[in-house]
Amino acid sequence: SQQGEEDPQALSIQEGENATMNCSYKTSINNLQWYRQNSGRGLVHLILIRSNEREKHSGRLRVTLDTSKKSSSLLITASRAADTASYFCATDTTQGGSEKLVFGKGTKLTVNP
Amino acid sequence: DVKVTQSSRYLVKRTGEKVFLECVQDMDHENMFWYRQDPGLGLRLIYFSYDVKMKEKGDIPEGYSVSREKKERFSLILESASTNQTSMYLCASRPGGPIYEQYFGPGTRLTVT
Repeated sequence: SQQGEEDPQALSIQEGENATMNCSYKTSINNLQWYRQNSGRGLVHLILIRSNEREKHSGRLRVTLDTSKKSSSLLITASRAADTASYFCATDTTQGGSEKLVFGKGTKLTVNP
Repeated sequence: DVKVTQSSRYLVKRTGEKVFLECVQDMDHENMFWYRQDPGLGLRLIYFSYDVKMKEKGDIPEGYSVSREKKERFSLILESASTNQTSMYLCASRPGGPIYEQYFGPGTRLTVT
């Protein structure tokens, strides 16, 4: 079952601009994670934010989490052409005693040189 | 670095064939996962395993089975391949316990004709 929903579905920006992607979810979470996927490849983990955290930074990435609104955002600052990829949020939940990641459908980011 | 490998990048099979997709991880991770990824649907969990010989159904297990005889290897089996199983298949692994990211393999693009 899909939990995370990214917005927008596609985003096209110029190199040097900032890119913001949003994720909304429905149930309580242990943590929320963001992944990146280059075309036709596997996913690469970018950042994890725990449910008791509100903001986290990693290099040019900034993630926020608002558990009251059940939403998260991923900001990529000073974007580069190499940031072109699909970005997925994934909510880590405990279901039936097992921890599972539930992925959204992704935001396709294009950074134009 | 964690490495998750999948036996094939591309695979073409005929309807009705039995198909084996192999996944191997080299970091002694307890948990392993199989997903399929389709345009517009995102990643959907097929099966996962939290220990050797243990398996649990994900969201879309119908038409699939799995095998985990050794900790490092998790196999996905399509008992009788059908055209609606044409998809990108992604394997992932993760350490046991809470608050960990998943490490993905490069994916296998399976076409069933």
